[in-house]
Amino acid sequence: DVQLVESGGGLGQPGRSLTLSCTSSGFNFRDSGMSWLRQAPGKGLEWVGLIRSSAFGGTTEYAASVKGRFTISRDRSRSIAYLQIHSLKTEDTAVYYCVRPRMPFCVGECYISTGYYMDVWGKGTTVIVTS
Amino acid sequence: DIQMTQSPSSLSASVGDRVSIVCRASQTIGTHLNWYQQKPGEAPEVLIYAASSLQGGVPSRFSGSGSGTEFTLTIRSLQPEDFATYYCQQSYSAPRITFGQGTRLEIK
Repeated sequence: DVQLVESGGGLGQPGRSLTLSCTSSGFNFRDSGMSWLRQAPGKGLEWVGLIRSSAFGGTTEYAASVKGRFTISRDRSRSIAYLQIHSLKTEDTAVYYCVRPRMPFCVGECYISTGYYMDVWGKGTTVIVTS
Repeated sequence: DIQMTQSPSSLSASVGDRVSIVCRASQTIGTHLNWYQQKPGEAPEVLIYAASSLQGGVPSRFSGSGSGTEFTLTIRSLQPEDFATYYCQQSYSAPRITFGQGTRLEIK
């Protein structure tokens, strides 16, 4: 089964850092980009950022709202993606989802760009920022 | 940023009904529009991608249409498991994608 499992959520204090992990299985992690989204309590979905596969330089992209504080990385050998959150803010309180971005009508290793959608989602991990 | 607006924000319907949810983009996005379903306490799941392509495993009672700035998700013959929140998402401005605010579909 294709699966993504997030971990690392919990309570965090404002100004501190937190690292979330996303462990993948059932598909070729090396050929896939990975993305993170979040959902604040009772709110809608917000895209946080993504990392492309190594074939495309492993480049990262971030939402303007988190750029400079969030860092996405990946460990190809362990099939894990990471989201580091620095300088935690109360507004970072949310469920964080790890997702697999997919290009429509593209087979194999695809450059994540216009038209992509999220075809595999983890169950999410909750981050609560409170003093 | 491209703004996505869904209507209605909430909707009450009965099992067996046909319902439609509209998603409008603040600028033209071609057919780079995807639909997701989210049940309480669960992660979203993709239903439709590229405006009208049905994701594998999704029942055929779900369909999507539209292009440019207006898109529609239609559910033909509602089933009990369809009561959930639905989100549209544009990927024209990828990688920075945006979602609609959601439409909550409730049982009448």
